[in-house]
Amino acid sequence: DIQMTQSPSSLSASVGDRVTITCRASQGISNYLAWFQQKPGKAPKSLIYAASSLQSGVPSKFSGSGSGTDFTLTISGLQPEDFATYYCQQYNNYPWTFGQGTKVEIK
Amino acid sequence: EVQLVESGGGLVKPGGSLRLSCAASGFSFSIYSMNWVRQAPGKGPEWVSSISSSSTYIYYADSVKGRFTISRDNAKNSLYLQMNSLRAEDTAMYYCVRGTWGDYWGQGTLVTVSS
Repeated sequence: DIQMTQSPSSLSASVGDRVTITCRASQGISNYLAWFQQKPGKAPKSLIYAASSLQSGVPSKFSGSGSGTDFTLTISGLQPEDFATYYCQQYNNYPWTFGQGTKVEIK
Repeated sequence: EVQLVESGGGLVKPGGSLRLSCAASGFSFSIYSMNWVRQAPGKGPEWVSSISSSSTYIYYADSVKGRFTISRDNAKNSLYLQMNSLRAEDTAMYYCVRGTWGDYWGQGTLVTVSS
C-alpha cells in the first residue's frame, strides 16, 4: 500500500495568514492526489483533485501543486471558516490511502 | 444538486450483520464509480470498497475482504454495502462517496459494533 505522510500534524495560524501543508507519497503517484477539508461532525469536502485542479465551487484561495511523490496545499488569506482538518489522499491505485491529517487551529 | 444519503447503520453485536444503503440523486448515477469510506471516531478516513459504474470491477480493503460485499442497482440509483461478521474495529461512520477520487460525500451513517 502507498503511505501518505502529511506535515505538520497541526499548526496555529492567524486570520489572514497564508499556510502550506505538505503531503509525501511513499512511491510515485503521478498527479493522482486529492485534498479534503473536514470540520467537526461533518463529512470531508473535496477541495483539490489531480494535485492542482480546483473542485467546482471551492474558492481560489485554495491551491495545490506537486507531482510524483511531493505535494502541497496552500491556503491564502486564512478566514475563520478555514479552520479545520485537512487530508491528502492518493487515488493512483487501490487501496486509496489518506494522510493522517493536518489540523489548522486559530492562533 | 448532487445528493448521497446513507442509511442502515446502527448498533450491532460482534459477529452480526448490517446492510448499508446509499440513495443517490442529482447526477447520472450509472456512469460513476462509487465507493464506501469509513472513519472511526477521532481517526482519519479509511477506504473500504469501490465498484465501477457497471459493477465490472470491485475492490476491497484487506481489512474487510471476505466479510463485506459492495453492490449497486443503477435502476434504483442506489449503492449498498453488506457487512457480515462485524468486529469492534468496524465501528465507524460510513460514507458513500462518488467517483474516481471522491468529489462528493454523503453525510454518513454510524455503525457501532459492541456487545
